Amino acid sequence: GQQLNQSPQSMFIQEGEDVSMNCTSSSIFNTWLWYKQDPGEGPVLLIALYKAGELTSNGRLTAQFGITRKDSFLNISASIPSDVGIYFCAGLSGSARQLTFGSGTQLTVLP
Amino acid sequence: NAGVMQNPRHLVRRRGQEARLRCSPVKGHSHVYWYRQLPEEGLKFMVYLQKENIIDESGMPKERFSAEFPKEGPSILRIQQVVRGDSAAYFCASSPTRDSGEAFFGQGTRLTVV
Repeated sequence: GQQLNQSPQSMFIQEGEDVSMNCTSSSIFNTWLWYKQDPGEGPVLLIALYKAGELTSNGRLTAQFGITRKDSFLNISASIPSDVGIYFCAGLSGSARQLTFGSGTQLTVLP
Repeated sequence: NAGVMQNPRHLVRRRGQEARLRCSPVKGHSHVYWYRQLPEEGLKFMVYLQKENIIDESGMPKERFSAEFPKEGPSILRIQQVVRGDSAAYFCASSPTRDSGEAFFGQGTRLTVV
């Protein structure tokens, strides 16, 4: 089946720093999504990308849909303590109706 | 303005018992997806249902697992004769269209098999 390789697996950053994470795949995806999951909760959609090359922002978050349609990155600027959590990329391809998820990036923000 | 409601939030079952997980989608959403998440892993697709129909069950084990989304009432994920390996968080998502990119996730049911 399709797989998404998400990196890094975990990150420890100082409050106020910027952070970047990315996902790559050997397959083409038509839609890329980025989710945040807090402990004991379900994933919450942060940003959705629908076109190759698209760059979309949501507050301090910026994500891009790679031009090859095989990768995407998420940037968080000026991190704050509430940014702590697990960030997942997810992709939707072709006629598939289900999302393929990356393995997640655990973000820890140090005061 | 209720979102996706899943219950119970936590479920403990002994090996061999049955587990029934419920999901009430967002009002007006007729598309439901079930995903399973093991600790420190991403979510893995199990099954996609529309009202009264299973559309894609390619991610669901063929034995012991079943899902339904009746005309009235919540979607049910049923696991018969549970084993320790079934312990996981099970998430339901609902969408107004068949585009799961618009789906909203519930808070999940954490199943522990002892």
